[in-house]
Amino acid sequence: DAGVTQSPTHLIKTRGQHVTLRCSPISGHKSVSWYQQVLGQGPQFIFQYYEKEERGRGNFPDRFSARQFPNYSSELNVNALLLGDSALYLCASNLEPRETQYFGPGTRLLVL
Amino acid sequence: AQKITQTQPGMFVQEKEAVTLDCTYDTSDQSYGLFWYKQPSSGEMIFLIYQGSYDEQNATEGRYSLNFQKARKSANLVISASQLGDSAMYFCAMRDPNFGNEKLTFGTGTRLTIIP
Repeated sequence: DAGVTQSPTHLIKTRGQHVTLRCSPISGHKSVSWYQQVLGQGPQFIFQYYEKEERGRGNFPDRFSARQFPNYSSELNVNALLLGDSALYLCASNLEPRETQYFGPGTRLLVL
Repeated sequence: AQKITQTQPGMFVQEKEAVTLDCTYDTSDQSYGLFWYKQPSSGEMIFLIYQGSYDEQNATEGRYSLNFQKARKSANLVISASQLGDSAMYFCAMRDPNFGNEKLTFGTGTRLTIIP
């Protein structure tokens, strides 16, 4: 079975631009979470969606938004990019809330 | 708020030896979950092992075991018979029960290097 997939794998943007990252969960998984991992740190929670509804949000500005589609795939949007948004963005899925999260390979975003 | 502490930034271990990666946590909750993930240079976080706070026995998964000492709030990962492919970053994480969903709080990680 395919694992969590994310696209694109790498992305280079300039300050002020907008970016959309995509995630497809493991088949059958209804919950998707997004994390930001800055170089040298552990991942930080951004959002969790379950059954297309936002179930949780981390301490991130309103420039960050997300949504989940009927097929349970998800998009993470970041507006007005800052240099500090450069990071590895990880998507994780699980079958139901409180089950183990399985991560995708991540999208490496570089903001110049 | 939950907090995870990993005090070993890096470790070097001879191949085939056992290795223990330290993790301590801070929580006032009685019900919580602890996880270990492996992150190779490719970036993907690979789930290794899970321990629930009410589990009476230490979790084991193949060469991985979790030394869970609840009173000391520690959840150390033990890798037996280390292999070259074990070289990676290792993260300890806690699921926040009060968050009502899935928020994982991660430590800063330990970089493990296996020496041939």
